[in-house]
Amino acid sequence: NAGVTQTPKFQVLKTGQSMTLQCAQDMNHNSMYWYRQDPGMGLRLIYYSASEGTTDKGEVPNGYNVSRLNKREFSLRLESAAPSQTSVYFCASSASGSLRTDTQYFGPGTRLTVL
Amino acid sequence: QKEVEQDPGPLSVPEGAIVSLNCTYSNSAFQYFMWYRQYSRKGPELLMYTYSSGNKEDGRFTAQVDKSSKYISLFIRDSQPSDSATYLCAGENAGNMLTFGGGTRLMVKP
Repeated sequence: NAGVTQTPKFQVLKTGQSMTLQCAQDMNHNSMYWYRQDPGMGLRLIYYSASEGTTDKGEVPNGYNVSRLNKREFSLRLESAAPSQTSVYFCASSASGSLRTDTQYFGPGTRLTVL
Repeated sequence: QKEVEQDPGPLSVPEGAIVSLNCTYSNSAFQYFMWYRQYSRKGPELLMYTYSSGNKEDGRFTAQVDKSSKYISLFIRDSQPSDSATYLCAGENAGNMLTFGGGTRLMVKP
């Protein structure tokens, strides 16, 4: 089992460029999440999808869009990258949306630099 | 003020020491608390979770919550070099979202 996979592992963008971060899980989980991690800030939720066909904003959604393509895949798009979006991005999944009873599994992360 | 605060460390201890990692939080709505471990350049992994107040033990790890003082602790007994990682605490409210602290980096020296 691969668990949660993310592509690419590293990316360098210029300000104003766009890109899509890909995430897939093979655990048949219903819920998927996108976080960003900045030094000293911890993980902050960007968007989440409680189930296929639904998406909701998290704590820091501005500048991002998401697509829950199917049950397995959840992508994060930066339409016009800004230096403030330089971060490590993590995708996660859980069996259901209840983080009280379900473990959240994280991918290995994408390290994004915006120049 | 961040809702969950952690000392970033690094905390350096000798192998075999008892480690105490701590968080404070400000959101009274938090009902569940989690500890995640994150190795360098890896994604976080869930270590333990606790509900409300009290202790929870799992092997060498004990999680403790004191809701009256809004204080969360993780104790590691007989620490090992393999415990060297960043430890993130998180609180969960009824909205099913986690709020993470900034993490504490732990180094266990052989």
